[in-house]
Amino acid sequence: TQLLEQSPQFLSIQEGENLTVYCNSSSVFSSLQWYRQEPGEGPVLLVTVVTGGEVKKLKRLTFQFGDARKDSSLHITAAQPGDTGLYLCAGELVNYGQNFVFGPGTRLSVLP
Amino acid sequence: DSGVTQTPKHLITATGQRVTLRCSPRSGDLSVYWYQQSLDQGLQFLIQYYNGEERAKGNILERFSAQQFPDLHSELNLSSLELGDSALYFCASSVGGRLNTEAFFGQGTRLTVV
Repeated sequence: TQLLEQSPQFLSIQEGENLTVYCNSSSVFSSLQWYRQEPGEGPVLLVTVVTGGEVKKLKRLTFQFGDARKDSSLHITAAQPGDTGLYLCAGELVNYGQNFVFGPGTRLSVLP
Repeated sequence: DSGVTQTPKHLITATGQRVTLRCSPRSGDLSVYWYQQSLDQGLQFLIQYYNGEERAKGNILERFSAQQFPDLHSELNLSSLELGDSALYFCASSVGGRLNTEAFFGQGTRLTVV
């Protein structure tokens, strides 16, 4: 059983479109991170959110942490081919000791 | 280039064997983390070392062990290998010791067990 679920699993869109990917759990997280991973590379951290309800913006990317700290979303405005990759959410669990879990990822393909 | 170096990049070995994966963290980073990424399990946190001491443990099998040396490089030892251990193994490093500290990942070691 995945402690973190991500949806959609796959997403293929045209350049210029907007999209939102979701990261959900029934568990509470002390913090949550979003990463992007490209083929043959390790994940690269995009953002860390720590406060329930927090919204962070990184250029065309907007990240939101749910009020109850159980879910998060990533919204990309005017997607570009360079946004293509595997988007992973990951979090530090509150009630599982020192453990850090990753979601299965959303594989995004932005077509020119 | 993240500054984290992992060797070897690829490793093919037989079931039952033992292998050692090596990680050199970024200069100045005290924490090293090990992760396993497979198609069916996704990316899983295995273990963290901070300044030579074990700091946090995730889903690491008893057949696997790790250590961090005085020069801060780390090794992940995998023994009694099974086919299901085939995966990408990533090392990451960070300055701080918290699990949610910004960590920088290496390019991984692809292990194939045949």
